[in-house]
Amino acid sequence: NAGVTQTPKFQVLKTGQSMTLQCAQDMNHEYMSWYRQDPGMGLRLIHYSVGAGITDQGEVPNGYNVSRSTTEDFPLRLLSAAPSQTSVYFCASSWKRTFNYGYTFGSGTRLTVV
Amino acid sequence: RKEVEQDPGPFNVPEGATVAFNCTYSNSASQSFFWYRQDCRKEPKLLMSVYSSGNEDGRFTAQLNRASQYISLLIRDSKLSDSATYLCVAQTGFQKLVFGTGTRLLVSP
Repeated sequence: NAGVTQTPKFQVLKTGQSMTLQCAQDMNHEYMSWYRQDPGMGLRLIHYSVGAGITDQGEVPNGYNVSRSTTEDFPLRLLSAAPSQTSVYFCASSWKRTFNYGYTFGSGTRLTVV
Repeated sequence: RKEVEQDPGPFNVPEGATVAFNCTYSNSASQSFFWYRQDCRKEPKLLMSVYSSGNEDGRFTAQLNRASQYISLLIRDSKLSDSATYLCVAQTGFQKLVFGTGTRLLVSP
């Protein structure tokens, strides 16, 4: 089991560029989410999905899009990168029906927008 | 006011010491609570869930006080390997986990 796999691990973008952060899990988890982590801010929810074909916004969705065409994959798209999107991005997944077991996180993507 | 608040620390303790962290949450509708551990430049990893009756996992004990809306984590016999940031988490609603900013622990020889 690979768990939750995120790619790339590091990325530098220029302002205005777009890119997709990939997230895949092999645990058949129904629930997947994207967080960003900034110093002093904690982890903040960007978007989440409770199953294939279903997505919803979290606390800080502006500038990001997601889709969930399969149970395994949950990519995060940055539409037009801005320096304010410089952050560490984590993808996480869990069983929907046993939410009390918490999330499994990917190893993160460190994004710098210049 | 942040929904989940923690003392950022750092807490500097010698090996073998007992250390306790507290965390407060503002949303009384929060249903489930967790402690996560995050090592430097790594992803958060679930340390333990927190139950109303209190629960223990080896050297770690978690307590929940719903009336006062705080959660605690006690670490006994601290090890060097316990050095990390500890994140307090409250679940509010089906899909929403709210993370505190973390408490940093440094255990020294």
